[in-house]
Amino acid sequence: RKEVEQDPGPFNVPEGATVAFNCTYSNSASQSFFWYRQDCRKEPKLLMSVYSSGNEDGRFTAQLNRASQYISLLIRDSKLSDSATYLCAPSASKIIFGSGTRLSIRP
Amino acid sequence: NAGVTQTPKFRVLKTGQSMTLLCAQDMNHEYMYWYRQDPGMGLRLIHYSVGEGTTAKGEVPDGYNVSRLKKQNFLLGLESAAPSQTSVYFCASSYVGARYEQYFGPGTRLTVT
Repeated sequence: RKEVEQDPGPFNVPEGATVAFNCTYSNSASQSFFWYRQDCRKEPKLLMSVYSSGNEDGRFTAQLNRASQYISLLIRDSKLSDSATYLCAPSASKIIFGSGTRLSIRP
Repeated sequence: NAGVTQTPKFRVLKTGQSMTLLCAQDMNHEYMYWYRQDPGMGLRLIHYSVGEGTTAKGEVPDGYNVSRLKKQNFLLGLESAAPSQTSVYFCASSYVGARYEQYFGPGTRLTVT
């Protein structure tokens, strides 16, 4: 089993829709997690951190399920500008990323 | 405050040539990382460093060497480039106080012919 696994997508949803995708991890010792956003041919940038059960920032909600070892990212009222690849990573000195989930928002 | 910078931005190599990629950060971060990203794929960790003078292997270390002689710099070397090393290389840095939140450089696009 890979350390971090994500559904590669692509998720293609209409503007205004709600979309969610998961990230599973194998290291049960991981205490905190990150969601990064990566635009085409650009470097990843931090979107959200998840330190406890969850975190909310505007239209974005990240939740952590330690029992099942996954984190999820929910995007409400999606915008065209949300189109990107979303990467998850457990926090650790040796940071391994998931392969990313591609999201495309259509008008 | 430039954050994380990478040199060069683009490079074309011939098979068998060698080169060094430079990553520099001005945030006094303890940790630094080198990743590669192939088209349509996620980031794969090549090597990382938890402090000046220390390095460790990541997921895909073969064919690469690294050095961290100064805290602010992390060098990635390709001794004998192969076409399979054609990729985009990202450097990142982080610090323990931020629970390893990473700051990335803009990337180096390397083509090996």
